[in-house]
Amino acid sequence: GQQVMQIPQYQHVQEGEDFTTYCNSSTTLSNIQWYKQRPGGHPVFLIQLVKSGEVKKQKRLTFQFGEAKKNSSLHITATQTTDVGTYFCAAPMSFQGAQKLVFGQGTRLTINP
Amino acid sequence: DGGITQSPKYLFRKEGQNVTLSCEQNLNHDAMYWYRQDPGQGLRLIYYSQIVNDFQKGDIAEGYSVSREKKESFPLTVTSAQKNPTAFYLCASSIVGTSGTYEQYFGPGTRLTVT
Repeated sequence: GQQVMQIPQYQHVQEGEDFTTYCNSSTTLSNIQWYKQRPGGHPVFLIQLVKSGEVKKQKRLTFQFGEAKKNSSLHITATQTTDVGTYFCAAPMSFQGAQKLVFGQGTRLTINP
Repeated sequence: DGGITQSPKYLFRKEGQNVTLSCEQNLNHDAMYWYRQDPGQGLRLIYYSQIVNDFQKGDIAEGYSVSREKKESFPLTVTSAQKNPTAFYLCASSIVGTSGTYEQYFGPGTRLTVT
């Protein structure tokens, strides 16, 4: 089926280190969304990227959309304990004549304070 | 205070029983979704609805049923036919538009345990 591959599955860092998660698709994406889920919580929308090569920043978070619109990344600079959680990418894909959001498996970030 | 509510937060059932999970939203969103999340896994789509009285199966609809009689409500029934129902169930909603997909707003989830 249609998939969005996300790596790595897990990442453990020391507080202050950087973190990056990557999302890849075999097909061209119209846009890509990123969500964060805190432990025990529910996914919360972070951002949507639409344009080829787009780069958006939210404080220490940098989101990129590849030139071919087949991949995306989320980079966190100088991680803090508040960054702990699972980060998901999600992309719309056609399904039975309608569009649905397909989520990557997520990258679970844990931080050693 | 707008948002999505799911109840209950934790639900315990015996094997062989049907159980209905509630999802209500007051965001005036047309589209609503049900996802299942297993430990360490991503989100898998069970059912979705883009308009009242209409819904479509997602990737893992077997053993589940839904209804969409009101715009605000999208209850999910986990039937006894679902072979492995223990999971975290998330409801979400979004607007529907012509220019692409839109961000989804998630409820707090219901953690279902079947023994």
